[in-house]
Amino acid sequence: NAGVTQTPKFQVLKTGQSMTLQCAQDMNHEYMSWYRQDPGMGLRLIHYSVGAGITDQGEVPNGYNVSRSTTEDFPLRLLSAAPSQTSVYFCASSEQGAGATEAFFGQGTRLTVV
Amino acid sequence: ELKVEQNPLFLSMQEGKNYTIYCNYSTTSDRLYWYRQDPGKSLESLFVLLSNGAVKQEGRLMASLDTKARLSTLHITAAVHDLSATYFCALDGAGGTSYGKLTFGQGTILTVHP
Repeated sequence: NAGVTQTPKFQVLKTGQSMTLQCAQDMNHEYMSWYRQDPGMGLRLIHYSVGAGITDQGEVPNGYNVSRSTTEDFPLRLLSAAPSQTSVYFCASSEQGAGATEAFFGQGTRLTVV
Repeated sequence: ELKVEQNPLFLSMQEGKNYTIYCNYSTTSDRLYWYRQDPGKSLESLFVLLSNGAVKQEGRLMASLDTKARLSTLHITAAVHDLSATYFCALDGAGGTSYGKLTFGQGTILTVHP
């Protein structure tokens, strides 16, 4: 059981380039989300999805797009990379519904924009 | 808007000592998580707390939740070096409904010295 898989693990982009960070989960979870982690700021929510075809913005959505065409996949697109987007990005998934369900995180993508 | 504040942000402990990390939050929430993160790694789920008065223990770590005070604590008993890591609290379900969109505290960097 792979859980949440993110690719790539590391990426260097030039300012203005675009790219897509991939996230896939094999647990049939309805909820998926993207976070960025910057030193001293914890993790901040970029976008989230409550199911296929449904996405919404989080705290820091500017410069990022998402789509959710399947339950399994939730890619994050950087439209025109900026140095301020240098960060570590985490994708997470969790089950819908009540109960003590944990949120599972991918291994992260370390992105540097030069 | 949900705000989550942890303190302390930095904690240097001697092995064998006890200490508590505090997590205060600003609005009602559906569930509270505690995570551990080692340097360069992803987040590892420690506890999920759902209801007022919930207490969970795993090894030298014990987490509790007081929803009336909007406070969770992570208590460390007889610290050992292996507990050195960054600890985050995070809340889902601001306003009472979980959507897999977590709001994180800033994190507490714990260092345990011999």
